[in-house]
Amino acid sequence: SQELEQSPQSLIVQEGKNLTINCTSSKTLYGLYWYKQKYGEGLIFLMMLQKGGEEKSHEKITAKLDEKKQQSSLHITASQPSHAGIYLCGAEGYNAGNMLTFGGGTRLMVKP
Amino acid sequence: EAGVTQSPTHLIKTRGQQATLRCSPISGHTSVYWYQQALGLGLQFLLWYDEGEERNRGNFPPRFSGRQFPNYSSELNVNALELEDSALYLCASSLGLATYNEQFFGPGTRLTVL
Repeated sequence: SQELEQSPQSLIVQEGKNLTINCTSSKTLYGLYWYKQKYGEGLIFLMMLQKGGEEKSHEKITAKLDEKKQQSSLHITASQPSHAGIYLCGAEGYNAGNMLTFGGGTRLMVKP
Repeated sequence: EAGVTQSPTHLIKTRGQQATLRCSPISGHTSVYWYQQALGLGLQFLLWYDEGEERNRGNFPPRFSGRQFPNYSSELNVNALELEDSALYLCASSLGLATYNEQFFGPGTRLTVL
């Protein structure tokens, strides 16, 4: 089965600083999803990556999938308190039947 | 356009009882997924329904079951509740069977088993 490891597990940054969250897979990623979750709430879809080398941006958040399709990173530029939450990467494996396997999450706190 | 909705928001049951959780997908979505997020265990896939049929099942005992109705809404039933069933249950929906369709999540139902 596919396993996803996220790092770091938690992160505290000063407002305005940049940060990066990583998601590493034990197998090739055929669809990599990034979600944000406020504590105890549902997941907010951020971005989906499929192709090796693909990069997508939305506002101050950029996600990349490496060429080998086994690692993804999420980069936040000039962090704000509104970026605080838990970031989760989820992935579909090959022929996995649409189910998503999730990493353990990265808890982000942004200090004003 | 309305997102994925779930009810109830909170549910408190005692051990041995049954719980029923409900989910309404985004209009036009035929696939519904159920995930369990228990403290310390992360988000784990439970069940996937599409067009009224169970398409895939995660590593959970048979007392976790569900169904999908003709209007694509879904129910998750948990029988013989155990303390470790306490968790946030998240429902997601997506377009049909094709892969790499974004899954959009509802706000969740928090189940507490006493």
